[in-house]
Amino acid sequence: DAKTTQPPSMDCAEGRAANLPCNHSTISGNEYVYWYRQIHSQGPQYIIHGLKNNETNEMASLIITEDRKSSTLILPHATLRDTAVYYCIILHPPSSNTGKLIFGQGTTLQVKP
Amino acid sequence: GAVVSQHPSRVICKSGTSVKIECRSLDFQATTMFWYRQFPKQSLMLMATSNEGSKATYEQGVEKDKFLINHASLTLSTLTVTSAHPEDSSFYICSATTGTSGANEQFFGPGTRLTVL
Repeated sequence: DAKTTQPPSMDCAEGRAANLPCNHSTISGNEYVYWYRQIHSQGPQYIIHGLKNNETNEMASLIITEDRKSSTLILPHATLRDTAVYYCIILHPPSSNTGKLIFGQGTTLQVKP
Repeated sequence: GAVVSQHPSRVICKSGTSVKIECRSLDFQATTMFWYRQFPKQSLMLMATSNEGSKATYEQGVEKDKFLINHASLTLSTLTVTSAHPEDSSFYICSATTGTSGANEQFFGPGTRLTVL
């Protein structure tokens, strides 16, 4: 699986957009970009995933560059409850049914009042 | 939907005893379940992949005789930590996936905090 690089930590003001970058320069053409987050002492929570098109759901937006070597997770209006560790993970196609998630160190997002 | 539960949420045991942790998918059938371990201030480490009705596949460095995994049904997987020692104290998290094409996101349980005295 392709390796990802994320900044170890970021701060964001409450109510502002949080933009979390991820580099995945070795991603293969059929690998997906997945984002999860883990709030302290809880299990990780799925946020969003995409292949090459930008994606949006009720939680966040995912912007993937045209060359697919990097992506950005956007939380449009961050709240204090969004304080968590955010993981960017590259995954083989869903239909493979293997779905092993290899977690890196992620980005610790601190949302401040 | 897509809720995964774990039991117990917290357990304290004496060194040398065995501890069983249950992972259940409450509203879907999980073809595959995964077990992770997380030490303080570290990321999640995948321990093993479990498919219903077959033997679990362990990641390199994980002792299969110490961490027994059973996936007897499509809604239940268990992890038994045998002869637990203080170094096994950790946060154990399971996840489940339906494995259906086009929707491979994993749904995680709330975790079980194991403390071995």
